[in-house]
Amino acid sequence: GDSVTQMEGPVTLSEEAFLTINCTYTATGYPSLFWYVQYPGEGLQLLLKATKADDKGSNKGFEATYRKETTSFHLEKGSVQVSDSAVYFCALSVNTGNQFYFGTGTSLTVIP
Amino acid sequence: EPEVTQTPSHQVTQMGQEVILRCVPISNHLYFYWYRQILGQKVEFLVSFYNNEISEKSEIFDDQFSVERPDGSNFTLKIRSTKLEDSAMYFCASRGEPGPYEQYFGPGTRLTVT
Repeated sequence: GDSVTQMEGPVTLSEEAFLTINCTYTATGYPSLFWYVQYPGEGLQLLLKATKADDKGSNKGFEATYRKETTSFHLEKGSVQVSDSAVYFCALSVNTGNQFYFGTGTSLTVIP
Repeated sequence: EPEVTQTPSHQVTQMGQEVILRCVPISNHLYFYWYRQILGQKVEFLVSFYNNEISEKSEIFDDQFSVERPDGSNFTLKIRSTKLEDSAMYFCASRGEPGPYEQYFGPGTRLTVT
């Protein structure tokens, strides 16, 4: 079946540190891949997406590359800020389907 | 910027009681969803709704659950007789187009069944 496995948290980093949150997937079809972010008290917001292999999604300094050979979509940011503290969710949607499959979420705390 | 809203933010209910969770999707969207997240677990799909009917549902969405779009703006999830294991965060989502496009999520309703 379709599923997403996401790096366990919580993750605590100092400001300006490098961030990687791992995400791997299993899909029966050809998926589109997403990262969502949830700030405290808010809904899930789309952070970035990629719809085909080797695509790189990017937004607000975050990047993730769709790697079909390793079935991965790892989230990276070169220099995190305190304002990046949130929960990050990896998700996939298979082209012929409708629902999203999510990972468990990774809580990130950035300390000054 | 338009957003999905959900009420209440937190609902506490006793086992066996009925609850209705409410959502107001983005106004021109046509596809509506409910997801839930039990603490520490994955966000799980419950149901999708389009053109006034369920288009897809998961194994979790059994006869105790129902959805409705009672008017042009609200989208509700009803749990007929709550169980302890229904305690979770429930997210509503909507989108305007079919296919693998992003869904827009509300802030969630935390349901606690005692």
